[in-house]
Amino acid sequence: NAGVTQTPKFRVLKTGQSMTLLCAQDMNHEYMYWYRQDPGMGLRLIHYSVGEGTTAKGEVPDGYNVSRLKKQNFLLGLESAAPSQTSVYFCASLSPTWTGLAESTDTQYFGPGTRLTVL
Amino acid sequence: SQQGEEDPQALSIQEGENATMNCSYKTSINNLQWYRQNSGRGLVHLILIRSNEREKHSGRLRVTLDTSKKSSSLLITASRAADTASYFCATALSSNTGKLIFGQGTTLQVKP
Repeated sequence: NAGVTQTPKFRVLKTGQSMTLLCAQDMNHEYMYWYRQDPGMGLRLIHYSVGEGTTAKGEVPDGYNVSRLKKQNFLLGLESAAPSQTSVYFCASLSPTWTGLAESTDTQYFGPGTRLTVL
Repeated sequence: SQQGEEDPQALSIQEGENATMNCSYKTSINNLQWYRQNSGRGLVHLILIRSNEREKHSGRLRVTLDTSKKSSSLLITASRAADTASYFCATALSSNTGKLIFGQGTTLQVKP
C-alpha cells in the first residue's frame, strides 16, 4: 500500500494564480483532512471531509476550497494564490472505529507534504 | 488560537538520557495524541491516550494524561540520535469528526 500520497511535492506560484493539490489514499479511509504548517508552528486544519461528497471548514478555511468526489481522493484548491498561503500542506486520512456503542476516531495517517511558495 | 501549548519549545540532550515534553490544552478532549515529524517529512503517529486513561506505554515512550490539569507529558527513555525530530501533541475534541488541534511542537535534538 502506498498509504497517503500528495501531488505535487513542490510548487511555486505567482500571486493570483490558481492550483489544485491532490491527496490520494489507498486505505479505504472514510475521513480526510487538509492542514497547513507554517515555520515553527504546528499544523492548522483547513478543511476536512467525513465521507465522499461531504466537506466541512476547519480552523483556517479562507482562500481555499475542497472537493471529495471520490472516497480515495481529497482535492485542495487555491483560486487566487496569495503570499500568505506560502506554506507546507499536509493531507491526512483516518478510518473511525466502533467501540461498543460509540464511534471512535483514532490516529491520522499523513502524507509527505507539498511545499508551496507564492511569490 | 492553538489548543495545545508545548513546553519546552526546544530540548537538547545527550544520547542515553531521557527526554520529557509537556503539553497543555484548554478544552475537554476525547483523546490526546503525540506525533513525530522528522525534518522535511510528514507526521508519524506515536501514541494515543484516551480521556479516561492516565498513563500509557509503548516501547521507550511513556505518556501521561491529567485531565484535571488539562496537561500531558511524553517521556522518551534512553534516547537515541535517531529520536532527533519535532514532537507534536494533538487533541481530539469531544466530537466524532476526528479533527485534531495541534500544539506548536517541541524540537528535540539528541547528540551522539
